[in-house]
Amino acid sequence: DSGVTQTPKHLITATGQRVTLRCSPRSGDLSVYWYQQSLDQGLQFLIQYYNGEERAKGNILERFSAQQFPDLHSELNLSSLELGDSALYFCASSVEIHSTGNTIYFGEGSWLTVV
Amino acid sequence: AQKITQTQPGMFVQEKEAVTLDCTYDTSDPSYGLFWYKQPSSGEMIFLIYQGSYDQQNATEGRYSLNFQKARKSANLVISASQLGDSAMYFCAMREDSGNTGKLIFGQGTTLQVKP
Repeated sequence: DSGVTQTPKHLITATGQRVTLRCSPRSGDLSVYWYQQSLDQGLQFLIQYYNGEERAKGNILERFSAQQFPDLHSELNLSSLELGDSALYFCASSVEIHSTGNTIYFGEGSWLTVV
Repeated sequence: AQKITQTQPGMFVQEKEAVTLDCTYDTSDPSYGLFWYKQPSSGEMIFLIYQGSYDQQNATEGRYSLNFQKARKSANLVISASQLGDSAMYFCAMREDSGNTGKLIFGQGTTLQVKP
Protein backbone atom coordinates (compact mmCIF):
# COMPACT_ATOMS: atom_id res chain seq x y z
CA ASP A 1 0.00 0.00 0.00
CA SER A 2 1.62 3.23 -1.21
CA GLY A 3 -0.56 5.44 0.94
CA VAL A 4 -1.95 7.28 -2.09
CA THR A 5 -5.70 6.74 -2.39
CA GLN A 6 -7.61 7.10 -5.61
CA THR A 7 -11.34 6.87 -6.22
CA PRO A 8 -13.15 5.51 -8.06
CA LYS A 9 -11.15 2.45 -9.06
CA HIS A 10 -13.30 1.76 -12.10
CA LEU A 11 -15.60 4.04 -14.05
CA ILE A 12 -17.62 3.49 -17.19
CA THR A 13 -19.26 6.47 -18.80
CA ALA A 14 -20.62 7.61 -22.13
CA THR A 15 -19.07 9.93 -24.66
CA GLY A 16 -19.75 13.58 -23.97
CA GLN A 17 -20.05 13.08 -20.25
CA ARG A 18 -17.96 14.54 -17.44
CA VAL A 19 -16.24 12.67 -14.62
CA THR A 20 -14.20 13.57 -11.58
CA LEU A 21 -11.33 11.48 -10.30
CA ARG A 22 -10.22 11.99 -6.74
CA CYS A 23 -6.85 11.55 -5.10
CA SER A 24 -5.69 11.69 -1.49
CA PRO A 25 -1.91 11.93 -1.25
CA ARG A 26 0.28 10.21 1.31
CA SER A 27 0.21 11.84 4.71
CA GLY A 28 2.63 14.75 4.70
CA ASP A 29 3.08 14.88 0.93
CA LEU A 30 2.55 18.32 -0.57
CA SER A 31 2.98 17.50 -4.24
CA VAL A 32 0.33 15.72 -6.28
CA TYR A 33 0.80 14.54 -9.85
CA TRP A 34 -1.63 13.17 -12.40
CA TYR A 35 -0.61 10.74 -15.14
CA GLN A 36 -2.51 9.06 -17.92
CA GLN A 37 -1.62 5.58 -19.14
CA SER A 38 -3.04 4.45 -22.45
CA LEU A 39 -2.03 1.68 -24.81
CA ASP A 40 -0.96 3.98 -27.60
CA GLN A 41 0.59 6.85 -25.60
CA GLY A 42 2.15 4.99 -22.70
CA LEU A 43 2.51 6.88 -19.42
CA GLN A 44 2.07 10.61 -19.87
CA PHE A 45 2.45 13.33 -17.28
CA LEU A 46 -0.62 15.55 -17.10
CA ILE A 47 -0.20 18.04 -14.31
CA GLN A 48 1.45 18.68 -10.93
CA TYR A 49 0.23 20.64 -7.94
CA TYR A 50 2.34 21.67 -4.99
CA ASN A 51 0.65 22.85 -1.81
CA GLY A 52 -2.42 23.99 -3.67
CA GLU A 53 -0.76 25.68 -6.61
CA GLU A 54 -0.21 24.41 -10.12
CA ARG A 55 3.46 23.59 -10.52
CA ALA A 56 3.88 21.98 -13.91
CA LYS A 57 1.74 21.15 -16.86
CA GLY A 58 2.25 18.35 -19.33
CA ASN A 59 0.15 16.88 -22.08
CA ILE A 60 -3.17 17.78 -20.52
CA LEU A 61 -6.07 18.46 -22.83
CA GLU A 62 -8.10 21.65 -22.47
CA ARG A 63 -11.11 19.47 -21.70
CA PHE A 64 -9.30 18.29 -18.59
CA SER A 65 -8.71 20.32 -15.47
CA ALA A 66 -7.41 19.67 -12.01
CA GLN A 67 -7.10 21.31 -8.64
CA GLN A 68 -5.59 20.69 -5.25
CA PHE A 69 -7.61 21.64 -2.22
CA PRO A 70 -6.45 23.08 1.14
CA ASP A 71 -6.52 19.60 2.69
CA LEU A 72 -4.12 18.60 -0.16
CA HIS A 73 -6.43 16.15 -1.86
CA SER A 74 -6.73 16.64 -5.59
CA GLU A 75 -9.36 16.15 -8.24
CA LEU A 76 -8.97 15.62 -11.96
CA ASN A 77 -11.99 16.67 -14.00
CA LEU A 78 -12.45 15.18 -17.44
CA SER A 79 -15.21 16.66 -19.59
CA SER A 80 -16.70 16.14 -23.04
CA LEU A 81 -15.30 12.66 -22.89
CA GLU A 82 -14.23 10.88 -26.04
CA LEU A 83 -13.51 7.21 -26.68
CA GLY A 84 -9.81 8.02 -26.76
CA ASP A 85 -9.90 9.23 -23.18
CA SER A 86 -10.31 5.66 -22.03
CA ALA A 87 -7.20 5.01 -19.96
CA LEU A 88 -5.77 4.32 -16.55
CA TYR A 89 -5.36 7.57 -14.64
CA PHE A 90 -2.79 7.65 -11.89
CA CYS A 91 -2.31 10.04 -9.06
CA ALA A 92 1.10 10.21 -7.40
CA SER A 93 2.48 12.19 -4.51
CA SER A 94 5.77 13.28 -3.01
CA VAL A 95 6.89 15.29 -0.04
CA GLU A 96 8.40 18.22 -1.87
CA ILE A 97 8.68 19.51 -5.38
CA HIS A 98 11.69 17.52 -6.39
CA SER A 99 14.42 17.47 -3.75
CA THR A 100 17.18 14.93 -4.20
CA GLY A 101 16.11 11.53 -3.02
CA ASN A 102 12.49 12.47 -3.28
CA THR A 103 10.51 9.32 -3.91
CA ILE A 104 7.28 9.54 -5.81
CA TYR A 105 4.55 7.09 -4.87
CA PHE A 106 1.62 6.17 -7.07
CA GLY A 107 -1.92 5.26 -6.24
CA GLU A 108 -3.64 2.20 -7.66
CA GLY A 109 -5.12 4.17 -10.50
CA SER A 110 -8.61 4.86 -11.78
CA TRP A 111 -9.68 2.85 -14.80
CA LEU A 112 -11.83 5.00 -17.06
CA THR A 113 -13.77 3.43 -19.90
CA VAL A 114 -15.66 5.72 -22.26
CA VAL A 115 -18.32 3.96 -24.33
CA ALA B 1 15.51 16.47 -25.14
CA GLN B 2 14.82 14.29 -22.15
CA LYS B 3 14.12 10.72 -23.08
CA ILE B 4 13.99 7.27 -21.54
CA THR B 5 14.55 4.19 -23.67
CA GLN B 6 13.75 0.63 -22.73
CA THR B 7 14.76 -1.54 -25.65
CA GLN B 8 13.38 -4.85 -24.38
CA PRO B 9 9.62 -5.08 -24.93
CA GLY B 10 9.51 -8.49 -23.30
CA MET B 11 11.79 -10.81 -21.41
CA PHE B 12 11.71 -14.28 -19.89
CA VAL B 13 13.67 -15.48 -16.90
CA GLN B 14 13.78 -18.77 -15.06
CA GLU B 15 12.64 -18.73 -11.46
CA LYS B 16 15.51 -18.16 -9.00
CA GLU B 17 17.77 -16.71 -11.66
CA ALA B 18 18.85 -13.09 -11.97
CA VAL B 19 17.64 -10.81 -14.73
CA THR B 20 18.70 -7.39 -15.99
CA LEU B 21 16.23 -4.93 -17.47
CA ASP B 22 17.83 -2.25 -19.60
CA CYS B 23 17.21 1.48 -19.41
CA THR B 24 19.07 4.30 -21.10
CA TYR B 25 18.31 7.95 -20.69
CA ASP B 26 19.13 11.22 -22.32
CA THR B 27 19.36 14.49 -20.48
CA SER B 28 21.54 17.58 -20.38
CA ASP B 29 20.59 18.31 -16.80
CA PRO B 30 23.46 17.52 -14.39
CA SER B 31 21.00 16.79 -11.58
CA TYR B 32 18.36 14.17 -12.08
CA GLY B 33 16.78 11.13 -10.51
CA LEU B 34 16.12 7.71 -11.96
CA PHE B 35 13.29 5.46 -10.84
CA TRP B 36 12.08 1.97 -11.48
CA TYR B 37 8.45 0.98 -11.04
CA LYS B 38 6.68 -2.36 -11.28
CA GLN B 39 3.19 -2.66 -12.71
CA PRO B 40 1.51 -6.03 -12.16
CA SER B 41 -1.45 -7.09 -14.25
CA SER B 42 -3.76 -5.59 -11.62
CA GLY B 43 -2.54 -2.17 -12.73
CA GLU B 44 -1.05 -0.47 -9.70
CA MET B 45 2.34 1.24 -10.03
CA ILE B 46 4.74 0.06 -7.36
CA PHE B 47 7.92 2.00 -6.56
CA LEU B 48 10.99 -0.24 -6.54
CA ILE B 49 14.18 1.77 -6.43
CA TYR B 50 15.66 5.25 -6.84
CA GLN B 51 19.07 6.51 -7.95
CA GLY B 52 20.16 10.13 -7.82
CA SER B 53 22.61 11.42 -10.38
CA TYR B 54 25.09 12.42 -7.69
CA ASP B 55 24.85 9.21 -5.72
CA GLN B 56 28.25 7.58 -5.54
CA GLN B 57 27.00 4.07 -5.00
CA ASN B 58 24.50 2.00 -6.89
CA ALA B 59 21.13 1.84 -5.17
CA THR B 60 19.92 -1.43 -3.71
CA GLU B 61 16.57 -2.41 -2.23
CA GLY B 62 16.34 -6.04 -1.22
CA ARG B 63 16.47 -8.16 -4.39
CA TYR B 64 16.53 -5.06 -6.57
CA SER B 65 19.67 -3.20 -7.51
CA LEU B 66 20.29 -0.46 -9.97
CA ASN B 67 23.37 -0.68 -12.16
CA PHE B 68 24.03 3.01 -12.70
CA GLN B 69 26.58 3.87 -15.38
CA LYS B 70 26.53 7.64 -15.62
CA ALA B 71 28.94 8.02 -18.51
CA ARG B 72 26.93 5.60 -20.58
CA LYS B 73 23.65 7.12 -19.37
CA SER B 74 22.27 3.77 -18.38
CA ALA B 75 20.33 2.71 -15.31
CA ASN B 76 19.65 -0.99 -15.58
CA LEU B 77 17.52 -2.79 -13.02
CA VAL B 78 18.86 -6.08 -11.73
CA ILE B 79 16.45 -8.48 -10.04
CA SER B 80 18.18 -11.28 -8.22
CA ALA B 81 16.64 -14.66 -7.42
CA SER B 82 13.54 -14.08 -9.56
CA GLN B 83 10.19 -15.13 -8.16
CA LEU B 84 6.93 -15.91 -9.94
CA GLY B 85 5.47 -12.77 -8.40
CA ASP B 86 8.04 -10.69 -10.26
CA SER B 87 6.11 -11.26 -13.49
CA ALA B 88 4.94 -7.76 -14.40
CA MET B 89 5.62 -4.72 -16.52
CA TYR B 90 8.63 -2.68 -15.41
CA PHE B 91 9.05 1.00 -16.11
CA CYS B 92 12.14 3.13 -15.94
CA ALA B 93 11.54 6.84 -15.33
CA MET B 94 13.57 10.00 -14.98
CA ARG B 95 13.05 13.27 -13.17
CA GLU B 96 15.09 16.30 -14.21
CA ASP B 97 15.78 18.66 -11.34
CA SER B 98 16.46 21.88 -13.21
CA GLY B 99 12.81 22.44 -14.00
CA ASN B 100 12.03 22.48 -10.28
CA THR B 101 9.19 20.06 -10.73
CA GLY B 102 8.89 16.43 -9.83
CA LYS B 103 7.41 15.24 -13.10
CA LEU B 104 8.61 11.92 -14.41
CA ILE B 105 9.32 10.89 -17.96
CA PHE B 106 8.68 7.19 -18.48
CA GLY B 107 10.06 4.62 -20.84
CA GLN B 108 7.80 2.29 -22.78
CA GLY B 109 8.26 -0.50 -20.30
CA THR B 110 9.52 -4.08 -20.33
CA THR B 111 7.27 -7.04 -19.69
CA LEU B 112 8.98 -9.65 -17.57
CA GLN B 113 7.74 -13.22 -17.33
CA VAL B 114 9.21 -15.53 -14.75
CA LYS B 115 9.05 -19.20 -15.68
CA PRO B 116 8.68 -21.89 -13.00
